[in-house]
Amino acid sequence: AQSVTQLDSHVSVSEGTPVLLRCNYSSSYSPSLFWYVQHPNKGLQLLLKYTSAATLVKGINGFEAEFKKSETSFHLTKPSAHMSDAAEYFCVVSVQPSGTYKYIFGTGTRLKVLA
Amino acid sequence: DSGVTQTPKHLITATGQRVTLRCSPRSGDLSVYWYQQSLDQGLQFLIQYYNGEERAKGNILERFSAQQFPDLHSELNLSSLELGDSALYFCASSQAGPQVVAGELFFGEGSRLTVL
Repeated sequence: AQSVTQLDSHVSVSEGTPVLLRCNYSSSYSPSLFWYVQHPNKGLQLLLKYTSAATLVKGINGFEAEFKKSETSFHLTKPSAHMSDAAEYFCVVSVQPSGTYKYIFGTGTRLKVLA
Repeated sequence: DSGVTQTPKHLITATGQRVTLRCSPRSGDLSVYWYQQSLDQGLQFLIQYYNGEERAKGNILERFSAQQFPDLHSELNLSSLELGDSALYFCASSQAGPQVVAGELFFGEGSRLTVL
């Protein structure tokens, strides 16, 4: 069975400090992995994706994530938080068990950035 | 702009009523996904269509139905509405299909349904 676990439902950081949002996955298949961001009352926007190429993936707005197969993790990081990063973040696994792709969403991590 | 268009953006209706939400996918995307997002349930997958055919079902109630038309737009029909159906309904599209490597989902801005 496939699953995604976002280890923290809420994360608070001070502006200018590093951000770490943790995601672990479980999959019997070779997964594609994504991070999405959702600002209040907005749709979800893709931050970055991993699809079996380089394990360190760079995304928009200075975010990056590293795929670690041995740890089944895909943590999202950013060196320096900005106030505009305050949002909800979703880790997503995509697998193709039988002919069609399934997208499995984590429960989300709400990031708060303190001035 | 993701290229996915959802209408209406906001909808207020009464219990027992029926509404239809519409989604136009990104140009070239054959797969359409519907999601429901509420405060207590989070983001829930409802149903997926690929090129007009239903491909996968999630936590979709029997009171809800969907279809994808030949021009690839999709509609989600919600009937006998209850207070608990109040939520943000998202449509997403992708190129993913049986012979296509999974790409990302592109989300619309959502339709906010309020049932009074």
